Amino acid sequence: KAGVTQTPRYLIKTRGQQVTLSCSPISGHRSVSWYQQTPGQGLQFLFEYFSETQRNKGNFPGRFSGRQFSNSRSEMNVSTLELGDSALYLCASSLSLQGGRETQYFGPGTRLLVL
Amino acid sequence: DQQVKQNSPSLSVQEGRISILNCDYTNSMFDYFLWYKKYPAEGPTFLISISSIKDKNEDGRFTVFLNKSAKHLSLHIVPSQPGDSAVYFCAAAKTSYDKVIFGPGTSLSVIP
Repeated sequence: KAGVTQTPRYLIKTRGQQVTLSCSPISGHRSVSWYQQTPGQGLQFLFEYFSETQRNKGNFPGRFSGRQFSNSRSEMNVSTLELGDSALYLCASSLSLQGGRETQYFGPGTRLLVL
Repeated sequence: DQQVKQNSPSLSVQEGRISILNCDYTNSMFDYFLWYKKYPAEGPTFLISISSIKDKNEDGRFTVFLNKSAKHLSLHIVPSQPGDSAVYFCAAAKTSYDKVIFGPGTSLSVIP
């Protein structure tokens, strides 16, 4: 079974631009969560989508948004990029038959650098 | 406001010895805890979990202990192997459908 895939793997943008990251979950998985990883902060939860609906949301500004398609693939968008948005963005999927108790499977991440 | 804390950013252990990684949480509503391991350039992978109704869970060389009164959990790796060198994240959740909150991670180095 193919794992979670994220595209692109690396991205360089400049301040003020916007970016869209993509995540394809494991086949059959219905929940997709997004995390931001920065040094010293660990994994900060952005949001979770389940059946095309946002089920949980973290404490990030409205510049961070996401969506999920009917095939469970998910995208996240960051508008008006700031230097502090430079981070590794991780996507995780789970079956979500039992909700948050299930193991999340992570993709390799997209490394975003904002100049 | 960090609800899940890992106060040791790094830890070095000799091969064959025990590694103990600690995690503290502040929210008494958390009832499910997980440990993930992350190698460079890879996403985190699930290691072991524990429900609040238990105080210990074991899987091979990995054991997680939970002390609810102290709001503390620890991951024991015995014996430690060089391949265990990675960043370990502690995580917690409140309910079945709640978001999972991760700690900042502890970088473990197992020295041959």
